[in-house]
Amino acid sequence: AQSVTQLDSQVPVFEEAPVELRCNYSSSVSVYLFWYVQYPNQGLQLLLKYLSGSTLVKGINGFEAEFNKSQTSFHLRKPSVHISDTAEYFCAVSRVNDYKLSFGAGTTVTVRA
Amino acid sequence: DSGVTQTPKHLITATGQRVTLRCSPRSGDLSVYWYQQSLDQGLQFLIQYYNGEERAKGNILERFSAQQFPDLHSELNLSSLELGDSALYFCASGRQGYEQYFGPGTRLTVT
Repeated sequence: AQSVTQLDSQVPVFEEAPVELRCNYSSSVSVYLFWYVQYPNQGLQLLLKYLSGSTLVKGINGFEAEFNKSQTSFHLRKPSVHISDTAEYFCAVSRVNDYKLSFGAGTTVTVRA
Repeated sequence: DSGVTQTPKHLITATGQRVTLRCSPRSGDLSVYWYQQSLDQGLQFLIQYYNGEERAKGNILERFSAQQFPDLHSELNLSSLELGDSALYFCASGRQGYEQYFGPGTRLTVT
């Protein structure tokens, strides 16, 4: 079975500063990788996904992530955050041809002015 | 707005009771997934239906069951409720692919 570890439970960051959220996964088979964002009292919204191809994936709202197969990582980055990026971020993995998602524990990002 | 609707938004009930959560997928999506989000367990996959048939099962308790109807809406039935069943229950839908679109969730409180 696959599993996901988000290495930081909370990340405080100042507005306009860069942010990186770390995600490592383990799986004995090929996987697809996702980042979701959950704003307060809302459902999850897909930020970006890696299925195949270029290891640098660009998503919505200026986020990007890099898939590193040798390090089994899929870290999320944004070069300059806004107050509105305050939310919880979840890394998720699914096995190829198996659509159910396994989520990490989440990283709470708090952006301060 | 993801296009996935869930009702009710909030549900408060007592231990031992039974509830039904409803999900309407996005137009054209054949797959429906149910997830539970709780403070101690995080986000967990419960079950998936595809075009009316059960496709995959996760950490779903025997007290819980689900079905998908011919019009593709789905219901998650939770019975003999315990305090520990209090959680946010999300429904997601998708086509035969890897993007899942999540609904706003149903917050269940068992007292």
